[in-house]
Amino acid sequence: AQSVAQPEDQVNVAEGNPLTVKCTYSVSGNPYLFWYVQYPNRGLQFLLKYITGDNLVKGSYGFEAEFNKSQTSFHLKKPSALVSDSALYFCAVRGAYNQGGKLIFGQGTELSVKP
Amino acid sequence: DSGVTQTPKHLITATGQRVTLRCSPRSGDLSVYWYQQSLDQGLQFLIQYYNGEERAKGNILERFSAQQFPDLHSELNLSSLELGDSALYFCASSGGAGANEQFFGPGTRLTVL
Repeated sequence: AQSVAQPEDQVNVAEGNPLTVKCTYSVSGNPYLFWYVQYPNRGLQFLLKYITGDNLVKGSYGFEAEFNKSQTSFHLKKPSALVSDSALYFCAVRGAYNQGGKLIFGQGTELSVKP
Repeated sequence: DSGVTQTPKHLITATGQRVTLRCSPRSGDLSVYWYQQSLDQGLQFLIQYYNGEERAKGNILERFSAQQFPDLHSELNLSSLELGDSALYFCASSGGAGANEQFFGPGTRLTVL
């Protein structure tokens, strides 16, 4: 069965420092991976996706993610964090090929960027 | 703004009641998905419709049902409500039936008293 794990409930970084939010996955077949961000009282916003191709995927707001097949990981990164990046981040994997387009989400990681 | 709209924004009702949540997808998107977000269960997929037909089903309770209309808007019906149904319900849409990214609406916060 497809699954996603986000091992850290919370990540704290100082503004200007690089940030990493971790995600590991378990899939049968090729993984289709996504990152979303949720600000308080808002819906989820799409950041980036990996379907195929380059292992380094660039997305919105300066975020990028590195796909690592051998480690089954898809970590979200940003070279220099902003206070406004503070939010809840979700990693997701698409369900099995016969399950339509459903997304299976990790439990989320709360990112806190301090000035 | 994702282009996905959901109404109402908030809903407060009593146990045993029935409610309907409405979603309008982005213009041109044929797939609509419903998700439930709660503190204990996280984000859970409920059901997907593609161009009016049910495409995939998740852990959706028998008390819940959904449909997608010819104009592609969708409704999620929740009946015989229980306290545990209190959650944030999101609708999302995408252009295809599979690997495309999904765009989420702002959600409907349901409170069952």
